[in-house]
Amino acid sequence: DQQVKQNSPSLSVQEGRISILNCDYTNSMFDYFLWYKKYPAEGPTFLISISSIKDKNEDGRFTVFLNKSAKHLSLHIVPSQPGDSAVYFCAASKGWASGTYKYIFGTGTRLKVLA
Amino acid sequence: EAGVTQFPSHSVIEKGQTVTLRCDPISGHDNLYWYRRVMGKEIKFLLHFVKESKQDESGMPNNRFLAERTGGTYSTLKVQPAELEDSGVYFCASSPWTSGRPLAKNIQYFGAGTRLSVL
Repeated sequence: DQQVKQNSPSLSVQEGRISILNCDYTNSMFDYFLWYKKYPAEGPTFLISISSIKDKNEDGRFTVFLNKSAKHLSLHIVPSQPGDSAVYFCAASKGWASGTYKYIFGTGTRLKVLA
Repeated sequence: EAGVTQFPSHSVIEKGQTVTLRCDPISGHDNLYWYRRVMGKEIKFLLHFVKESKQDESGMPNNRFLAERTGGTYSTLKVQPAELEDSGVYFCASSPWTSGRPLAKNIQYFGAGTRLSVL
């Protein structure tokens, strides 16, 4: 039962253009969402997050949008750079109400930014 | 400041053998998590320590897996005996204690992982 889904396994974007990565979730109890970036042979690195009381969070070139009614979030990268090429994981947490801050991850989307 | 460190980085063992993975969290982080990624699929939660106590071990696959966190510092994950389906990348993550505040930002910092290959 996949509670967090990333339906696009890969995405290619031209340098300088916008990259949009999507994530869907099924559990309405999730109250915190995160995006992690992963390079080969490295661990996931935190990128940006958003709590369920917000619909947008911005950090430099990265913006995360949350649509709670659609149970959908997206990560926008503008402008995309070749160094952004990596696997991006969407993650969700139910917060302490569930007794743990464990993350539920999607399967990842491989982004390739073409120079 | 040192990040989360894991070793070995890679372990190749035969089915039926025992392997122990180690994780050193970021100093001062009370929360320590183990995750596993199998065959390019999603990263799956295994268990969560708060200091030396197991807070949630609902993700542990079976009793062949044993996790410990002696003294609330480093943690070990032992697989005994290893099976073919245990192959994958095992990640450790840590985060500071946030006192269980609602909607508290709890960013987990991941190690580079241990790639386990069971032949």
